[in-house]
Amino acid sequence: DTEVTQTPKHLVMGMTNKKSLKCEQHMGHRAMYWYKQKAKKPPELMFVYSYEKLSINESVPSRFSPECPNSSLLNLHLHALQPEDSALYLCASSQDLWYREQYFGPGTRLTVT
Amino acid sequence: SQQGEEDPQALSIQEGENATMNCSYKTSINNLQWYRQNSGRGLVHLILIRSNEREKHSGRLRVTLDTSKKSSSLLITASRAADTASYFCATSQETSGSRLTFGEGTQLTVNP
Repeated sequence: DTEVTQTPKHLVMGMTNKKSLKCEQHMGHRAMYWYKQKAKKPPELMFVYSYEKLSINESVPSRFSPECPNSSLLNLHLHALQPEDSALYLCASSQDLWYREQYFGPGTRLTVT
Repeated sequence: SQQGEEDPQALSIQEGENATMNCSYKTSINNLQWYRQNSGRGLVHLILIRSNEREKHSGRLRVTLDTSKKSSSLLITASRAADTASYFCATSQETSGSRLTFGEGTQLTVNP
């Protein structure tokens, strides 16, 4: 199984809402990533988890809060977002942190109203 | 800032023609990868070429890497309408492990 799944596919939330994005993989990968992608732009790295520990935070605002409950799951908790946070949020995983190809999920299309 | 720059930004060809996309980067790398993204979907890994490799093939894909020029090219032969997508190069630098730096991407349109 080489699939990374993400839920929900689409999410519309107000600026005062709290919501969560979920990501799951069953490939036994030990590194997981969150990316943000705006239209017609490349993905921008947000967070990296390695062996369930936060390894990289690319200076992401605290209104985005990642969580890795176990080696298969990755969550992104959202609170008090701004309209400019509207984007495609992609989850990815790789075997480990060292120079590996990454497997991406289909993404969650987030709209902040 | 993005390390990778790709050209062309957009490419439109007819089915059956070959498509070539180029990627340049600035710092030493461990490997360079190419990904495809269909509109509004996730990225799909196509091929990884290591810094000590010069050419790699996978099906209709051919990737070259010239570390002296800090550049790579992706050739898709005998293109199909289903190849219509955005193509991104991504570099993994020697000091950054799996942190990928993506290029700006090339939008390929293959007309039937």
